[in-house]
Amino acid sequence: AQKITQTQPGMFVQEKEAVTLDCTYDTSDQSYGLFWYKQPSSGEMIFLIYQGSYDEQNATEGRYSLNFQKARKSANLVISASQLGDSAMYFCAMRESDTGNQFYFGTGTSLTVIP
Amino acid sequence: NAGVTQTPKFQVLKTGQSMTLQCAQDMNHNSMYWYRQDPGMGLRLIYYSASEGTTDKGEVPNGYNVSRLNKREFSLRLESAAPSQTSVYFCASSEAWGYPNEQFFGPGTRLTVL
Repeated sequence: AQKITQTQPGMFVQEKEAVTLDCTYDTSDQSYGLFWYKQPSSGEMIFLIYQGSYDEQNATEGRYSLNFQKARKSANLVISASQLGDSAMYFCAMRESDTGNQFYFGTGTSLTVIP
Repeated sequence: NAGVTQTPKFQVLKTGQSMTLQCAQDMNHNSMYWYRQDPGMGLRLIYYSASEGTTDKGEVPNGYNVSRLNKREFSLRLESAAPSQTSVYFCASSEAWGYPNEQFFGPGTRLTVL
């Protein structure tokens, strides 16, 4: 079974609108971490936001927030007030405590911001 | 700080040739990783090293070997390259534990095997 599932291969959003990128995960661990990365067309991987499994509040970093629903095992990324520079691939990832330091990545969502 | 560096940035090989991809980090991280990225597949873990002196297989280790030379350096070797190994290779590092212990990535190596 896939550890991380991203079901939206491509998304479009109007500039200045908000967009939600979906991510579901599969783990039996109690302790784990969830990450979102951005990969622009230039290719580098940029860390955006982190949510720990024990964190009670949803993580926020500027225009990025993580909608964490533990019972549903979902960790959706919300980008508010989209900008043209947000056009990129977005990857959801998970780190489980019992696999040591192994990370699992989803297949990514390509986001295009329309002017 | 340079972060995570990778060499080379681009490489073209013929089938059967060998090569080593080099990776170094200057953040004193314990854990290092090698991934390959193919269209529609996301990042797939090839090998990782949780700490100096240890290495473990990831999801797609066949055809690759790794060496954790010291705490800073983690190399990936292709002994006999195959066209199926055409990909973009990323090295990453992270702290073993802590908060939020995200991975820091190198710029990638684009490898083509003819």
